[in-house]
Amino acid sequence: QSALTQPASVSGSPGQSIAISCTGTSSDVGAYNYVSWFQHHPGKAPKLLIFDVSDRPSGVSDRFSGSKSGNTASLTISGLQAEDEAEYYCISQTSSITWLFGGGTKLTVL
Amino acid sequence: QVQLVESGGGVVQPGRSLKLSCAASRFTLRSHAMHWVRQAPGKGLEWVAIISYDGNYKFYADSVRGRFTISRDNSENTLYLQMSSLRVEDTAVYFCARDSRYSSGRIDYWGQGTLVTVSS
Repeated sequence: QSALTQPASVSGSPGQSIAISCTGTSSDVGAYNYVSWFQHHPGKAPKLLIFDVSDRPSGVSDRFSGSKSGNTASLTISGLQAEDEAEYYCISQTSSITWLFGGGTKLTVL
Repeated sequence: QVQLVESGGGVVQPGRSLKLSCAASRFTLRSHAMHWVRQAPGKGLEWVAIISYDGNYKFYADSVRGRFTISRDNSENTLYLQMSSLRVEDTAVYFCARDSRYSSGRIDYWGQGTLVTVSS
């Protein structure tokens, strides 16, 4: 089970928009709409941003949005803010009824 | 506020066993599927195991299948991870996390984690 593929790092300036991709296969990302995204600050518990590909839990800013096309899911963050600087992870259910994380993407706000 | 508190971590020699616990409070554990997730030092998150809300279904990552066992006691509101035949590469912070009832990946609450160090 190899991790889903995410870019190791992305960066953007305050106010800009960035997108983080999460590429899997037809046995995971492409098979189900069970893709979630998390924000993780070091030393803290991960925070759920998106579930079911594009749904946002209550309390999560609408600056965070999710989508999926084929075997690739994406997280878009608009109106970048300094506090968005963190590690971001996707996770998908697989055809084996297991779950698979992406390798993580470090977001730097310039 | 929902709370998940892991315990049981520590230093253990390779080949030995360790059992982690995750105490849930301020919500009904039996209404949720539960995961264990780990993060090795300097590495990303790695999914370890999931147990259905009623404990009838359990699934594991290839890296731990046959060595780790996930279980739950809904009457005690506690989740467990029994780890056997531990390897150096199992060294990580272990998190328990709450999913929706039917495990859709809506993993909305996490514990703060407990550190397991496997070393001789």
